[in-house]
Amino acid sequence: KQEVTQIPAALSVPEGENLVLNCSFTDSAIYNLQWFRQDPGKGLTSLLLIQSSQREQTSGRLNASLDKSSGRSTLYIAASQPGDSATYLCAVRENNAGNMLTFGGGTRLMVKP
Amino acid sequence: DTGVSQNPRHKITKRGQNVTFRCDPISEHNRLYWYRQTLGQGPEFLTYFQNEAQLEKSRLLSDRFSAERPKGSFSTLEIQRTEQGDSAMYLCASSFSGNPDTQYFGPGTRLTVL
Repeated sequence: KQEVTQIPAALSVPEGENLVLNCSFTDSAIYNLQWFRQDPGKGLTSLLLIQSSQREQTSGRLNASLDKSSGRSTLYIAASQPGDSATYLCAVRENNAGNMLTFGGGTRLMVKP
Repeated sequence: DTGVSQNPRHKITKRGQNVTFRCDPISEHNRLYWYRQTLGQGPEFLTYFQNEAQLEKSRLLSDRFSAERPKGSFSTLEIQRTEQGDSAMYLCASSFSGNPDTQYFGPGTRLTVL
């Protein structure tokens, strides 16, 4: 059974810092991996999707990498801003598990002004 | 189209009552998903539709839960005889069966069972 783990569970940084969020998964037979942002009490916003054949994706100040063989992905946030404060979730879609996503527990990020 | 919408946004009910939630996907999306999220955890998959056909169901979806998508557009999720353990955020997502099949999520329905 696929298990997705995110470390750290919570992170507090001063504004302007570059930071890395980690995601690991136990079964490397994935179809793709998505990073989401969730604001308190709200739904999920898709940030980046990396196909299994890709190594990284970039959008603005965000860069996500994927190392399928080691079961790891990282989300890099450059020059963090208070507006980046949210919970960040990674989710994998497996090759043989239909279309369901398996989520990690999330990293709660607080960027202090 | 403004995205996936869910109604109601909040529902408070007493244990033993039935509740029904509605999800309206993005209009051209043929796939629709339901997830459940408890406080401090990531969402957990419940069920998935392609058009009107329910193709996958999680073991989390007990016999008190039923989901429908009668015309391949909106979907409903009904919980019968609610229990306090059903208290959670119920999230709906939709996607189009192309590449990369990104799932777009709605704002969720927060259920509180007293």
